[in-house]
Amino acid sequence: DAKTTQPTSMDCAEGRAANLPCNHSTISGNEYVYWYRQIHSQGPQYIIHGLKNNETNEMASLIITEDRKSSTLILPHATLRDTAVYYCIVRPNFGNEKLTFGTGTRLTIIP
Amino acid sequence: EPEVTQTPSHQVTQMGQEVILRCVPISNHLYFYWYRQILGQKVEFLVSFYNNEISEKSEIFDDQFSVERPDGSNFTLKIRSTKLEDSAMYFCASRGVSRGEKLFFGSGTQLSVL
Repeated sequence: DAKTTQPTSMDCAEGRAANLPCNHSTISGNEYVYWYRQIHSQGPQYIIHGLKNNETNEMASLIITEDRKSSTLILPHATLRDTAVYYCIVRPNFGNEKLTFGTGTRLTIIP
Repeated sequence: EPEVTQTPSHQVTQMGQEVILRCVPISNHLYFYWYRQILGQKVEFLVSFYNNEISEKSEIFDDQFSVERPDGSNFTLKIRSTKLEDSAMYFCASRGVSRGEKLFFGSGTQLSVL
């Protein structure tokens, strides 16, 4: 599986946009970029995923660079409940398609 | 939104005892997974299960572990003889059959081995 690199931690002020970067320079053509988050010790929660186009849903936006070597997750108006560990995962679109978690980015929303 | 349900939420056991962790995946899902997370560490893949057989397992998933889908709704993880180092949060996940479908995770079972 392609590896991802994320900052260990980030802070963001409440109400501002949180921009979480991820590098995945060895991603291959049939691999998607997924974002999950884990609030405290709860089960990982799906946020968004994409292949090469930018994506938006009710939780976040995902911006993928044209060369697909990096991406940014954007939480448009961060709230205190968005404090969590955010995982950027590159996932093959074949086989059993398991997720391989790294250490993620610990995002803290500051009141 | 549909949910993956795990029971119990907490399980305390003595070293050497057998434990069974239970999961009810989302009803129309066909791929099932177990993960674990030792306190302060990464979420680690244990095993995936499809069509009534293991499709992939990690090095962690040794002979002490087994999985079963005993009926049409439950998916279980059994640890035959627990060790202290098995203490962790165990997460069950499931997904549908189409390619690229997202995994849904349960809220986990905290296993404490004394």
